[in-house]
Amino acid sequence: DAGITQSPRHKVTETGTPVTLRCHQTENHRYMYWYRQDPGHGLRLIHYSYGVKDTDKGEVSDGYSVSRSKTEDFLLTLESATSSQTSVYFCAISTLGGNTEAFFGQGTRLTVV
Amino acid sequence: KNEVEQSPQNLTAQEGEFITINCSYSVGISALHWLQQHPGGGIVSLFMLSSGKKKHGRLIATINIQEKHSSLHITASHPRDSAVYICAVSANAGNMLTFGGGTRLMVKP
Repeated sequence: DAGITQSPRHKVTETGTPVTLRCHQTENHRYMYWYRQDPGHGLRLIHYSYGVKDTDKGEVSDGYSVSRSKTEDFLLTLESATSSQTSVYFCAISTLGGNTEAFFGQGTRLTVV
Repeated sequence: KNEVEQSPQNLTAQEGEFITINCSYSVGISALHWLQQHPGGGIVSLFMLSSGKKKHGRLIATINIQEKHSSLHITASHPRDSAVYICAVSANAGNMLTFGGGTRLMVKP
């Protein structure tokens, strides 16, 4: 599993509240990603990081922010949760970028009520 | 039109059958990935391909770069192969993945 841990695994939150999801890796991989998975849309990139303090937006970044202050942790924050952000969130890593295998966390199921 | 298209979307097979799942893409890529997701479960990488063919146990993945097409084959299918199989491509140095919609496979005993 390449030492990837997501927390929490499940969360229910109310509309308008901030939520932070954590992705922790133990193997010093440079690239980390946050994806969301929704029926009918598949998996889509939210944000990614290519090093400490180096992040960039993905396809569906509106309403989300990220931070990476340490190599091992990549945080995803929903600044003010909405029902449209109810989804399953996956963190992933790759070792160097380019032609390298991707490894995924177990996912976080977030429900915004 | 999606950049990554998979077919079929759903597939039901009898145990022991030979299964093929197809993936077509429309962009230049650096690599193509086949992923497996069991119901309620995480996502596992099966293969990463940039050319040719790879085999792991009963699973075989092929890619034709010129035709922008890849296939995932499962020989002697088993009910434990029931899962969603996802094709994804990476197209740049950041290795961000663009995903197909997935193929839901059910293998009946």
